[in-house]
Amino acid sequence: QKEVEQNSGPLSVPEGAIASLNCTYSDRVSQSFFWYRQYSGKSPELIMSIYSNGDKEDGRFTAQLNKASQYVSLLIRDSQPSDSATYLCAVKNAGNMLTFGGGTRLMVKP
Amino acid sequence: NAGVTQTPKFQVLKTGQSMTLQCAQDMNHNSMYWYRQDPGMGLRLIYYSASEGTTDKGEVPNGYNVSRLNKREFSLRLESAAPSQTSVYFCASSEAAGAPNTDTQYFGPGTRLTVL
Repeated sequence: QKEVEQNSGPLSVPEGAIASLNCTYSDRVSQSFFWYRQYSGKSPELIMSIYSNGDKEDGRFTAQLNKASQYVSLLIRDSQPSDSATYLCAVKNAGNMLTFGGGTRLMVKP
Repeated sequence: NAGVTQTPKFQVLKTGQSMTLQCAQDMNHNSMYWYRQDPGMGLRLIYYSASEGTTDKGEVPNGYNVSRLNKREFSLRLESAAPSQTSVYFCASSEAAGAPNTDTQYFGPGTRLTVL
């Protein structure tokens, strides 16, 4: 079992809808969680970091963390075609190393 | 402020050749990292340097060596390239490795390496 699991997608949503991206992780002592966006042929770009249970909002993006369920999610409101990319979930383990999920490909259709 | 820079952007090697990938950051970060990204495998950590003067193995270190030349620069060397090392290589840096809110990693543009 991979340490960080994501559905590879593609997740297809219409423009203006809410996109919901999910990630589960296996290391119970993880304390730091990150969402990165990666456009095709480009490098990962940080969207959000979250460290405490609950929600964290930044513009159209909301990260949600539930440590008891070992679950972290990213909601994108009012999805735009420019949001079409692969979204990577990353979790920092006890050894201070990031483990990445395989990514979810999001397609926002006009 | 260029952030994290990498050279070269593209490279083609023959099996058995050696090369060094260069990475530099201008954010005064203490920690630096090398990852490889393969289709379907996500990003995997090769080596990292928590601070100047230290290096540690990551998930997939075999076939690679690293040097933390100074606080700004962290290089990755392939001594004898193999086709299995065909990948996209990303360098990243963070203010620190351990503490929350300082452990966010910022990535360079990547090096696309093909080994024939």
